[in-house]
Amino acid sequence: GAVVSQHPSWVICKSGTSVKIECRSLDFQATTMFWYRQFPKQSLMLMATSNEGSKATYEQGVEKDKFLINHASLTLSTLTVTSAHPEDSSFYICSARDHGDSEAFFGQGTRLTVV
Amino acid sequence: DQQVKQNSPSLSVQEGRISILNCDYTNSMFDYFLWYKKYPAEGPTFLISISSIKDKNEDGRFTVFLNKSAKHLSLHIVPSQPGDSAVYFCAPGGNNRLAFGKGNQVVVIP
Repeated sequence: GAVVSQHPSWVICKSGTSVKIECRSLDFQATTMFWYRQFPKQSLMLMATSNEGSKATYEQGVEKDKFLINHASLTLSTLTVTSAHPEDSSFYICSARDHGDSEAFFGQGTRLTVV
Repeated sequence: DQQVKQNSPSLSVQEGRISILNCDYTNSMFDYFLWYKKYPAEGPTFLISISSIKDKNEDGRFTVFLNKSAKHLSLHIVPSQPGDSAVYFCAPGGNNRLAFGKGNQVVVIP
């Protein structure tokens, strides 16, 4: 299958700082990218959907000013957690899908710990 | 809003027996469904899909059944193996939101 690379795989940051997570599709064009968050022992929660060149569509309850998503190219999307707080500590996962295909491929995930 | 619902969140099955995972959906317009498998601290991996024009799709030990009238699909794993122990998610494909159900935790007992 296609490869989606997510970086970093884990990050520890201080409260109040911002953290950027990158998601790259390595061998296909990712027209659409999805960002998820997973709390311990819980399901994957869709945070937002982004189409290349457009503003991301956020799910209800997700603060767009806190979780900044950029999808400026067909191979890269970034999620920036701004002014991170301990409650933002979670496992963040991206996925990418080519135009016209229904199958999405997932990154390895990023474990964010805010101290 | 949840596009799919997965009840029976946890399933334990003996190695070699069949695992059956269920998924209900609400929108009859969905034309494609996906199943993903997820290990802890990893991203999900695609497992199998089914188009709404079919009622069954088989790939090795994995078979997905679709009952459009009941808006229900199921994933059968037979024979179950210890490596199948994971969380399984269903999702409708082909639309702009790839939102998952709560998942089914499968534990295969050797």
